Amino acid sequence: EDKVVQSPLSLVVHEGDTVTLNCSYEVTNFRSLLWYKQEKKAPTFLFMLTSSGIEKKSGRLSSILDKKELSSILNITATQTGDSAIYLCAVAQRTGNQFYFGTGTSLTVIP
Amino acid sequence: NAGVTQTPKFRVLKTGQSMTLLCAQDMNHEYMYWYRQDPGMGLRLIHYSVGEGTTAKGEVPDGYNVSRLKKQNFLLGLESAAPSQTSVYFCASSSWGAGSSYEQYFGPGTRLTVT
Repeated sequence: EDKVVQSPLSLVVHEGDTVTLNCSYEVTNFRSLLWYKQEKKAPTFLFMLTSSGIEKKSGRLSSILDKKELSSILNITATQTGDSAIYLCAVAQRTGNQFYFGTGTSLTVIP
Repeated sequence: NAGVTQTPKFRVLKTGQSMTLLCAQDMNHEYMYWYRQDPGMGLRLIHYSVGEGTTAKGEVPDGYNVSRLKKQNFLLGLESAAPSQTSVYFCASSSWGAGSSYEQYFGPGTRLTVT
């Protein structure tokens, strides 16, 4: 059974802390792994990682794909209250057209 | 360019009633998806479509039907609503094939309550 598992389920940190969110997957015919941020409404796209692009960075956010360990991490440095959200990890298959989502990590950043 | 839109935004149904959720996208995407999101369950795929006139079952299709008569629209139907279908429903679309980004663009969601 294809599945995506995220950890931790929730996290509370203080502003300025650095956090690492984890995503592991068991999905056949892996094509890409995507990270989304969800703030009380629709998920918004952060990164996509593939075999040819295993590391991405945008400002304080960065992500790495470990194809050997079938996992990915999302790092957020110098966290701000605006980073409070649910972070979703999804894996897309090369064949078939489905995306498999994890349950998400709820991040709360307190001032 | 509105992206992905969903109607309605909120709806309350009684058990046994039927309704249709409409998803529209103006990005000329081939692929469209319907998900439901429940607390602690993440996003679960209900049905999806790889092009006009084609649909396929996802992870949790029971109790739902879909249609893709036009490329830009993807309809999700509940023929006889049940309390277990109380959820937030998201539509998404994506491009596919060479040169595509493959990312999914999500609509704002529909909050459905079945009493």
